[in-house]
Amino acid sequence: EAAVTQSPRNKVTVTGGNVTLSCRQTNSHNYMYWYRQDTGHGLRLIHYSYGAGNLQIGDVPDGYKATRTTQEDFFLLLELASPSQTSLYFCASHQGAGTEVFFGKGTRLTVV
Amino acid sequence: EQQVQQSPASLVLQEAENAELQCSFSIFTNQVQWFYQRPGGRLVSLLYNPSGTKQSGRLTSTTVIKERRSSLHISSSQITDSGTYLCAIDYAQGLTFGLGTRVSVFP
Repeated sequence: EAAVTQSPRNKVTVTGGNVTLSCRQTNSHNYMYWYRQDTGHGLRLIHYSYGAGNLQIGDVPDGYKATRTTQEDFFLLLELASPSQTSLYFCASHQGAGTEVFFGKGTRLTVV
Repeated sequence: EQQVQQSPASLVLQEAENAELQCSFSIFTNQVQWFYQRPGGRLVSLLYNPSGTKQSGRLTSTTVIKERRSSLHISSSQITDSGTYLCAIDYAQGLTFGLGTRVSVFP
């Protein structure tokens, strides 16, 4: 079964700090996604990628950068973290439209 | 504007009852998926249903593209069905999710 592994699982950082969230998938899926999940807003798409080196902007990209260094690895970067970025972050991957989507267990980020 | 609307927002069931969850979307698409999530937990894909009716165990999904809606029927609910059910559409801008229906099943 496809595995999506996120790290770290929990992270606390200070306002203005620099944070990198990592995601690795082991099934060579083309598509990878970063979401944040907040009460009242549900899951919101931050950035996504169609393959290594490709990046697409999602619905809430402000304050976030992403890099897809390989087919397997997708990183989310917060260069000047703010308290509004306190959230539960999920990474997901799949092969394409109509295929099963696999999610990681999530990273809980707190910005104090 | 929320492109994917789900109803009801929450649902309380007694074990063995059936339930019907609704999803409507603002665009015409045949890429509709249903997911399940425990509080604070990982999302798990339940069903991909581009059109018509699709069944997986006690779950049945019916999608009507021209009406831009999909439903998820849970039959003979069990306590372990408790959690949030999310509908998502997959189109040019990636997967877009509704806010979900929170289901609570009691004995």
